[in-house]
Amino acid sequence: GAGVSQSPSNKVTEKGKDVELRCDPISGHTALYWYRQSLGQGLEFLIYFQGNSAPDKSGLPSDRFSAERTGGSVSTLTIQRTQQEDSAVYLCASSSHRTGGADTQYFGPGTRLTVL
Amino acid sequence: QKEVEQNSGPLSVPEGAIASLNCTYSDRGSQSFFWYRQYSGKSPELIMFIYSNGDKEDGRFTAQLNKASQYVSLLIRDSQPSDSATYLCASFTGGGNKLTFGTGTQLKVEL
Repeated sequence: GAGVSQSPSNKVTEKGKDVELRCDPISGHTALYWYRQSLGQGLEFLIYFQGNSAPDKSGLPSDRFSAERTGGSVSTLTIQRTQQEDSAVYLCASSSHRTGGADTQYFGPGTRLTVL
Repeated sequence: QKEVEQNSGPLSVPEGAIASLNCTYSDRGSQSFFWYRQYSGKSPELIMFIYSNGDKEDGRFTAQLNKASQYVSLLIRDSQPSDSATYLCASFTGGGNKLTFGTGTQLKVEL
């Protein structure tokens, strides 16, 4: 079946502009994650959605970052007033979360964000 | 101290050899561990996960977990040039909602 999809694949923006990144998870997956990966770095957790529960926003680096998930499916990550240090690949993952069990996450292809 | 640590490498092994990738973690509450492979410019793809002490084998891959020593390893037998990638180790804590990733080890399999 279809995997996790993300759009756009590449986004170039000017410093100070707002950007929206979209993630469409695997159908039926209740958990959705956003990560950020800077050049040569590991994955940095940003935010997690599970069903209708309040999201875990503990990884968002500043109040310029926000995310929402509508209807328990598609998610949008918004970065306001972008800065050059926001340049990174933003990865979305989804899983069929099982409480207390192994949480296998499947990643989308990512959005490469470049802030000039 | 990072929660999940990996040697960044690169780790170079000749084709056909066994590649050994290691990972240590600091949170004793970690329950499950995952190995992802990431080719340059691509997204991570799951290789395997392990949650019980001991070895778990899947084809050419073997994951090893030692909770007492807090380390996880991935062995790749009969290494191929196509195995050249960055390998990410991640831990999952049942009380948390996310995977914690190491920074990855770059593996180079040379002809």
